[in-house]
Amino acid sequence: GESVGLHLPTLSVQEGDNSIINCAYSNSASDYFIWYKQESGKGPQFIIDIRSNMDKRQGQRVTVLLNKTVKHLSLQIAATQPGDSAVYFCAENIRGNTPLVFGKGTRLSVIA
Amino acid sequence: NAGVTQTPKFQVLKTGQSMTLQCAQDMNHEYMSWYRQDPGMGLRLIHYSVGAGITDQGEVPNGYNVSRSTTEDFPLRLLSAAPSQTSVYFCASSYAAGYGYTFGSGTRLTVV
Repeated sequence: GESVGLHLPTLSVQEGDNSIINCAYSNSASDYFIWYKQESGKGPQFIIDIRSNMDKRQGQRVTVLLNKTVKHLSLQIAATQPGDSAVYFCAENIRGNTPLVFGKGTRLSVIA
Repeated sequence: NAGVTQTPKFQVLKTGQSMTLQCAQDMNHEYMSWYRQDPGMGLRLIHYSVGAGITDQGEVPNGYNVSRSTTEDFPLRLLSAAPSQTSVYFCASSYAAGYGYTFGSGTRLTVV
């Protein structure tokens, strides 16, 4: 069954606002999480990752938050720009030599 | 540094034909995998390899074969194409399990 899922399949935000994309995971053994961005016609692109010994990690305009208590992952994008329009996937890695499990994705649409 | 290279980018097959989707990476990654992406289904794992000479099945392996004779190459073979295999196929590689994947740009396959 699906181990990684998303609360919202689509998200529309105004340019300049902050975006928050959520992801729920069900496997408590997962110890590594990644967010990917996929633009139309392209392969998924790595954005940011976080390991289970952390609860927050920041990159350039992006922040990932991990709440292990409720098995929740979120991606925050600051000052959303039209170039941020894409589908965003979360992925988890269960401990051991296993492949990543991907969620179904959230489409982010930025309104200019 | 090319990353992950997939060929061809587009392909149309007739039912029953066979073909090989090529994937090559120049990052000396041990871990490689094949995913298919269908609308509303996210990324589903077909086969993966943790190193040369080692392959394993993913979530949807039926109708596909793989081999890993070198670290660089991980071809995906369709032995007898079916319309249900119409999809976009992505190859990905990573340093090891528990690390982020680098994706290729995909192969869009249509089986008629």
